[in-house]
Amino acid sequence: AQSVTQLDSHVSVSEGTPVLLRCNYSSSYSPSLFWYVQHPNKGLQLLLKYTSAATLVKGINGFEAEFKKSETSFHLTKPSAHMSDAAEYFCVVSEGYGGSQGNLIFGKGTKLSVKP
Amino acid sequence: NAGVTQTPKFQVLKTGQSMTLQCAQDMNHNSMYWYRQDPGMGLRLIYYSASEGTTDKGEVPNGYNVSRLNKREFSLRLESAAPSQTSVYFCASWDPWDSYKDGYTFGSGTRLTVV
Repeated sequence: AQSVTQLDSHVSVSEGTPVLLRCNYSSSYSPSLFWYVQHPNKGLQLLLKYTSAATLVKGINGFEAEFKKSETSFHLTKPSAHMSDAAEYFCVVSEGYGGSQGNLIFGKGTKLSVKP
Repeated sequence: NAGVTQTPKFQVLKTGQSMTLQCAQDMNHNSMYWYRQDPGMGLRLIYYSASEGTTDKGEVPNGYNVSRLNKREFSLRLESAAPSQTSVYFCASWDPWDSYKDGYTFGSGTRLTVV
């Protein structure tokens, strides 16, 4: 069974400093991995996705993530935080085969706070 | 605009009442999903429909039923609402043949409170 663990429930950074949101996954097959962002009282927006192409994936708003199979990790980073980055971030794995293909397994979320 | 439309956006129910959450997509996607979001729990899959005419249970199906009315519409029914079903509900759609082109498309959510 596939699963996702987000290692921090809450991360706080100062504006202009780097952001690191950590995610480990468990998968029996070659996974597809995603990061979604949710701003307060809003829906979910796709930040980036990994689907077995390049291991370093660039997304919107300056975010990127690196797929490391040996570490079963897919950490999300950004060089310089902006106030508008304050939101909740979800790491997500997709089951790749069988009748449940396409089902998304969500991590529990990391709430990012950005201090001025 | 193409996407996933959920109705209603907000709803308050009394314990024991029933209601149906509606979801429609206009992207000709085969697969549709219902998730619930609770604080600290992420999103959990309630039911999904891999294609028109099929439905399957997800992680937390108890207390819910679904209907895949046609390719566009996938409804979620609460027969006898309970306070534990207070949550934000998201509908999503996806198609395997899109090959993860833009990820999964989510609706804007229904905020349900059961008192």
